[in-house]
Amino acid sequence: EVQLVESGGGLVKPGGSLRLSCAASGFTFTYYSMTWVRQAPGKGLEWVSSISSNTTYIQYADSVKGRFTISRDNARDSIYLQMDSLRAEDTAVYYCATNVGGTIDAFDYWGQGTLVTVSS
Amino acid sequence: DIQLTQSPSFLSTSVGDRVTITCRASQVISDSLAWYQHKPGKAPKLLVFLASKLENGVPSRFSGSRFGTEYTLTISTLQPEDFATYYCQQYHSAPVTFGQGTKLEIK
Repeated sequence: EVQLVESGGGLVKPGGSLRLSCAASGFTFTYYSMTWVRQAPGKGLEWVSSISSNTTYIQYADSVKGRFTISRDNARDSIYLQMDSLRAEDTAVYYCATNVGGTIDAFDYWGQGTLVTVSS
Repeated sequence: DIQLTQSPSFLSTSVGDRVTITCRASQVISDSLAWYQHKPGKAPKLLVFLASKLENGVPSRFSGSRFGTEYTLTISTLQPEDFATYYCQQYHSAPVTFGQGTKLEIK
């Protein structure tokens, strides 16, 4: 059974940093591109960042470019999202997801999400 | 960026109804469109990919179709567990984008 478990969310002050983790199991992690998607309170889903299986292809939404860094550790079946210079508008539930195929694709498995709150 | 416009944003409906949700793309995206179901506090669930392909395990009352740049998700006979928010997503080109969502509410 595919499982994605996010962790690392919490309350952080504006300008602060946070590192999210997503631990994967139940599939051959090294084969798949992975993605972070977020949902701000009362809003819809917003794509944040994707990383290819071998890390050669990485993309970011304009809203986070230069502040967030996605990475993966194929030995640990995990992906990460380093979030720096956080803003109030980054407050959201952050989901990790598996890409069906390539780095630009649909997402067939999702975690339950981890809540990030940016507030003073 | 490719814009996806979903309609309606809210739909008050009843168990047993037939429901159609529409997603219009701002440019040609071929069949690179997916539909998701999202319930509060849960992980989003992929229902349809490639515009009309049903994901494994998704009930056959769900179906997707395409006409040009207009895509529809149809639920043939609404069940109690179908009350949720539905999103379309394009993956024709980066950045991938989502529609704003359609919330199905119990009438």
